[in-house]
Amino acid sequence: SAVISQKPSRDICQRGTSLTIQCQVDSQVTMMFWYRQQPGQSLTLIATANQGSEATYESGFVIDKFPISRPNLTFSTLTVSNMSPEDSSIYLCSVQVGLTYEQYFGPGTRLTVT
Amino acid sequence: GENVEQHPSTLSVQEGDSAVIKCTYSDSASNYFPWYKQELGKRPQLIIDIRSNVGEKKDQRIAVTLNKTAKHFSLHITETQPEDSAVYFCAASITGGYQKVTFGTGTKLQVIP
Repeated sequence: SAVISQKPSRDICQRGTSLTIQCQVDSQVTMMFWYRQQPGQSLTLIATANQGSEATYESGFVIDKFPISRPNLTFSTLTVSNMSPEDSSIYLCSVQVGLTYEQYFGPGTRLTVT
Repeated sequence: GENVEQHPSTLSVQEGDSAVIKCTYSDSASNYFPWYKQELGKRPQLIIDIRSNVGEKKDQRIAVTLNKTAKHFSLHITETQPEDSAVYFCAASITGGYQKVTFGTGTKLQVIP
């Protein structure tokens, strides 16, 4: 597996502002993903963070709202832009290590938008 | 796209009894099926997975079965313990190249001491 950290662990933000969430892994990983988990709900994939190229977004998620960067094989950021209360959720990064199919999750960032 | 259905949404069992959670998937091309356990306030943790070329896999008290023809797979927990109480998510994905994992809706398991 891999040791995954996220910053911040939680934040309370005002509507209309933006928040950037960082995900750091202790080893190089092949794939990095960003998920959203609304309270009491399942996990929904936002996008796959591609190293050196634009992220691949899932249906319902757009780059203008959730810009993603992945400058190297151990780090990625997700920005939640122009936030509204509907963006209140837990945001998790996950990584796929080596040639296995296994995905491991970071601890998550709990975002509350007021 | 892939659709994963999971049942039941809640499950209560007495300590020591077995628990079974069932999932169905829609895309016959899916070939990798992980199960995650999420304790309250914690991250999802991978507990077991199965690939489409295998019908059953066991790891101590946990087992997963897969029926490709029927497109369903199940998680079996034997001799349940209070620490098994959590939300369990099944998932399905197509591996190779672009990999997207689709999660089920989750099962909240309560083990009653």
